[in-house]
Amino acid sequence: DAKTTQPTSMDCAEGRAANLPCNHSTISGNEYVYWYRQIHSQGPQYIIHGLKNNETNEMASLIITEDRKSSTLILPHATLRDTAVYYCIVRRTRGGATNKLIFGTGTLLAVQP
Amino acid sequence: NAGVTQTPKFQVLKTGQSMTLQCAQDMNHEYMSWYRQDPGMGLRLIHYSVGAGITDQGEVPNGYNVSRSTTEDFPLRLLSAAPSQTSVYFCASSQSGGRGGEQYFGPGTRLTVT
Repeated sequence: DAKTTQPTSMDCAEGRAANLPCNHSTISGNEYVYWYRQIHSQGPQYIIHGLKNNETNEMASLIITEDRKSSTLILPHATLRDTAVYYCIVRRTRGGATNKLIFGTGTLLAVQP
Repeated sequence: NAGVTQTPKFQVLKTGQSMTLQCAQDMNHEYMSWYRQDPGMGLRLIHYSVGAGITDQGEVPNGYNVSRSTTEDFPLRLLSAAPSQTSVYFCASSQSGGRGGEQYFGPGTRLTVT
């Protein structure tokens, strides 16, 4: 599975968009980009995933560059409850144990009032 | 649905003791896994299972045993606890492999080994 690189921490003002970057320059063609978050002391929570196209759901948007070497998670209107560690993960979609998730250290997003 | 449940929430063990962390899911998911999370670090995969009767090792399997006799349950056994196993343990489940399929995590078990 490809390695990802994320900033250690970011700040965002409440009500503004939070843009969290992720580099995955060694991603291969059969790997999806997944985003999870972990609010303090809780289990991780799935946010969104994508392969090539941009994706949007009720929680966030995922923008993947055309060469697929980086992506950005966008929380359109951050609230204090969005303060969490955000993990960008790439995962194979074929072959054995394709559900394995390899977590890095993620980005600590602090939403400021 | 209760989702993924874990028991106990907290546990203190003495070095050398054994115990089993319980994990259950009611979503009929084929895939289940165990992670540990040490302070300030991301989650690391201990063991996983792609279905009843099938288990395999993750990144950090030493000191832990698992079995999967039913689809619903995936217990994690510590045979002889060591202080290095002090951590928060998370269980997760999902539909079987391939595209899509987010993983659902339990609330965690906080284990201290003295």
